[in-house]
Amino acid sequence: QQQVKQSPQSLIVQKGGISIINCAYENTAFDYFPWYQQFPGKGPALLIAIRPDVSEKKEGRFTISFNKSAKQFSLHIMDSQPGDSATYFCAAYHSNYQLIWGAGTKLIIKP
Amino acid sequence: NAGVTQTPKFRVLKTGQSMTLLCAQDMNHEYMYWYRQDPGMGLRLIHYSVGEGTTAKGEVPDGYNVSRLKKQNFLLGLESAAPSQTSVYFCASSLAGGRNEQFFGPGTRLTVL
Repeated sequence: QQQVKQSPQSLIVQKGGISIINCAYENTAFDYFPWYQQFPGKGPALLIAIRPDVSEKKEGRFTISFNKSAKQFSLHIMDSQPGDSATYFCAAYHSNYQLIWGAGTKLIIKP
Repeated sequence: NAGVTQTPKFRVLKTGQSMTLLCAQDMNHEYMYWYRQDPGMGLRLIHYSVGEGTTAKGEVPDGYNVSRLKKQNFLLGLESAAPSQTSVYFCASSLAGGRNEQFFGPGTRLTVL
């Protein structure tokens, strides 16, 4: 019930392509969905976040798409660049819990 | 403004030894967290604190203790280290709980032999 399932575990995308990472949840009480980006040897950092009353949020090349009925949300990285190579974590929050984290996706952008 | 700092960066322990990891933040944040990160398992919350003098258990608290005697510091202790505690440990802080952004430290890589 409290899990957030993230896929794929790893992803290789050509430079300039679109990277897509998916997450799914069960608990409909979750009401805040952030994505964090982690570079090797560093701690995660907030990338972008969305609430369930919005179906899409865009910040530069990064877009979150949210499907409330399917209980799924995804991160799209347009025009992917080698500097985007990192591990990406989705997460979900409900006031009765702390953040619940997905398992992470290691993204490699090939030049 | 250093943000969140962690000490030490690396540590190797033998089974049964004890150690303390120190986390410090200079952002006057109320909430602080300790996570462990293991391959394929994401971040798992060990303990957290909602303010000076308070602590609470997270998802995987067994084998760890914490203390928050000062608002800016959050200590994670391992009383008797086990190989299963080999992991990368991250400290984070946030202004308040819930939907507030968490700011992470650089991590401590701990190996228990």
